[in-house]
Amino acid sequence: QKEVEQNSGPLSVPEGAIASLNCTYSDRVSQSFFWYRQYSGKSPELIMSIYSNGDKEDGRFTAQLNKASQYVSLLIRDSQPSDSATYLCAVYSGGSQGNLIFGKGTKLSVKP
Amino acid sequence: DGGITQSPKYLFRKEGQNVTLSCEQNLNHDAMYWYRQDPGQGLRLIYYSQIVNDFQKGDIAEGYSVSREKKESFPLTVTSAQKNPTAFYLCASSIRTGASGANVLTFGAGSRLTVL
Repeated sequence: QKEVEQNSGPLSVPEGAIASLNCTYSDRVSQSFFWYRQYSGKSPELIMSIYSNGDKEDGRFTAQLNKASQYVSLLIRDSQPSDSATYLCAVYSGGSQGNLIFGKGTKLSVKP
Repeated sequence: DGGITQSPKYLFRKEGQNVTLSCEQNLNHDAMYWYRQDPGQGLRLIYYSQIVNDFQKGDIAEGYSVSREKKESFPLTVTSAQKNPTAFYLCASSIRTGASGANVLTFGAGSRLTVL
């Protein structure tokens, strides 16, 4: 059974701080990694994708991938109250489209 | 604007009734998906379709049925056989299989089903 694990939180950080969200996955052959943000009662929206080892930066967001450790993380710099949401990690293991597995999400709360 | 339209947004059902959730996309995406989300849970795949007239079961297909007669449409029926149907249902789509970004999902706004 392929698994994607996230700390459910809540993770609470003060405004302006760096929020660090972590995700581990079980399938060593996983190819593609995604971070989605989901506000309460809303649908998920993609904020980052990463496909190779290392860091990928987009504005205040940085995704980090370490395939050897089967670990992917999301850093949010200069956190804002509007970043308060649940962050879902998703991992694609190849083959059919059904092999995209979501974690349960980490709830982030940014305090003013 | 391109996107995915789900309807209804809220739906109440009595036990024993079948209900159908609508999902329409105008993104010209080949693949479409249905996910279920329960409080504190991640997204669980119900069904997915990669091309018209073909669909595959996901992890929790029991008690659900789908059809894909048109590229733009992928309705989900929650049957009376689904033992615990109260949940948030999300429809998604992605570009054709194997293409770059094929696993990047675009979601609809969701349908919240409550069984009374």
